Amino acid sequence: GAGVSQSPRYKVAKRGQDVALRCDPISGHVSLFWYQQALGQGPEFLTYFQNEAQLDKSGLPSDRFFAERPEGSVSTLKIQRTQQEDSAVYLCASSSPLVGGHGYTFGSGTRLTVV
Amino acid sequence: AQSVTQPDIHITVSEGASLELRCNYSYGATPYLFWYVQSPGQGLQLLLKYFSGDTLVQGIKGFEAEFKRSQSSFNLRKPSVHWSDAAEYFCAVGDNYGQNFVFGPGTRLSVLP
Repeated sequence: GAGVSQSPRYKVAKRGQDVALRCDPISGHVSLFWYQQALGQGPEFLTYFQNEAQLDKSGLPSDRFFAERPEGSVSTLKIQRTQQEDSAVYLCASSSPLVGGHGYTFGSGTRLTVV
Repeated sequence: AQSVTQPDIHITVSEGASLELRCNYSYGATPYLFWYVQSPGQGLQLLLKYFSGDTLVQGIKGFEAEFKRSQSSFNLRKPSVHWSDAAEYFCAVGDNYGQNFVFGPGTRLSVLP
């Protein structure tokens, strides 16, 4: 596609529920990143994939967070047993090595609200 | 570890006035610096970036930024603000391929008619 697509745009989950957030990167983009943006703050790094390999997951806040990209394109961020502190916008970005990953393209995000 | 500070949480300017948004960074090597803009409910749009060379960088929508190594700053400027510039602005620093960005906390810009 022309841009990075994220779905759903909005998700309301009851505390304790599992959620799955999807990211469709730009076709051919090797690198994919997930960020968490709490209300009124800047995005914070969660995890990074190069193709299907998860090279860095140092930003995942707990073992309830899990990300995968099994075929090196679409990625899913899963949050198990959601807590209220998980409420945030989850942003996905992808980049191509041809541009060195500089200024990669962000999706519009998924706003997760845990009630 | 790298870090980014944006001292101004919220700035209000009148339409047509000039604008400067401040950004200071801490980074151990040559920084790769970026400014992004985020409108409500939208993703992040790249305004401009600095890797090397000319320290004055031109971006989209009439924005520019100047890298000052001695001050560890990368301030964003625009000579004449338009009402459509009202948004949240984020400064970011990254490593050699822009991976593992660190974002500042953002500055919210309001524009008065």
